[in-house]
Amino acid sequence: AQSVSQHNHHVILSEAASLELGCNYSYGGTVNLFWYVQYPGQHLQLLLKYFSGDPLVKGIKGFEAEFIKSKFSFNLRKPSVQWSDTAEYFCAVSAGNMLTFGGGTRLMVKP
Amino acid sequence: DADVTQTPRNRITKTGKRIMLECSQTKGHDRMYWYRQDPGLGLRLIYYSFDVKDINKGEISDGYSVSRQAQAKFSLSLESAIPNQTALYFCATSDQGNLLYEQFFGPGTRLTVL
Repeated sequence: AQSVSQHNHHVILSEAASLELGCNYSYGGTVNLFWYVQYPGQHLQLLLKYFSGDPLVKGIKGFEAEFIKSKFSFNLRKPSVQWSDTAEYFCAVSAGNMLTFGGGTRLMVKP
Repeated sequence: DADVTQTPRNRITKTGKRIMLECSQTKGHDRMYWYRQDPGLGLRLIYYSFDVKDINKGEISDGYSVSRQAQAKFSLSLESAIPNQTALYFCATSDQGNLLYEQFFGPGTRLTVL
């Protein structure tokens, strides 16, 4: 079975700072990779996804993620965060029909 | 996403009570899922259903049961609620034809068991 680790549970940044959230997974086969975001009081929404091709994936709101197969990683990045990026971020891995989620990273952006 | 709705949105109940959480979707998706979210643990899969006649246990099914009444409806029941079932519950759907298995989530039900 696959597992997903998000090493940063809480991150606090000031506006305009750069963001990188780590995600590592364990699974030996082909995977699909996702980042979901949950804004305060809202449901999960898809930020971006990787299926195949270019390992650098661009998503909504200026987010991007890089799939590094050799490191089993799919880290999320944003060059300059905004206060509105305050949310919880979940990495997820799909192998076959199931999604496995990481524990989430709470991001707080101070204005 | 307004295409996936959950009722109730909030519920407070007592230990031992039977509770049903309902999920409806208008996306026309075949697959439906129930997750619970706990701080620091992310989302964990309780049950999933790939069509009306298909029900499967997820990672943490003990203490829960489900019913897929129609393609668009998937209910989660707590037979006898206990305090450690206090959590945020999400329903999700996905399209069998979507190779990326992207899931679409409902707004969640916050359940508190006293």
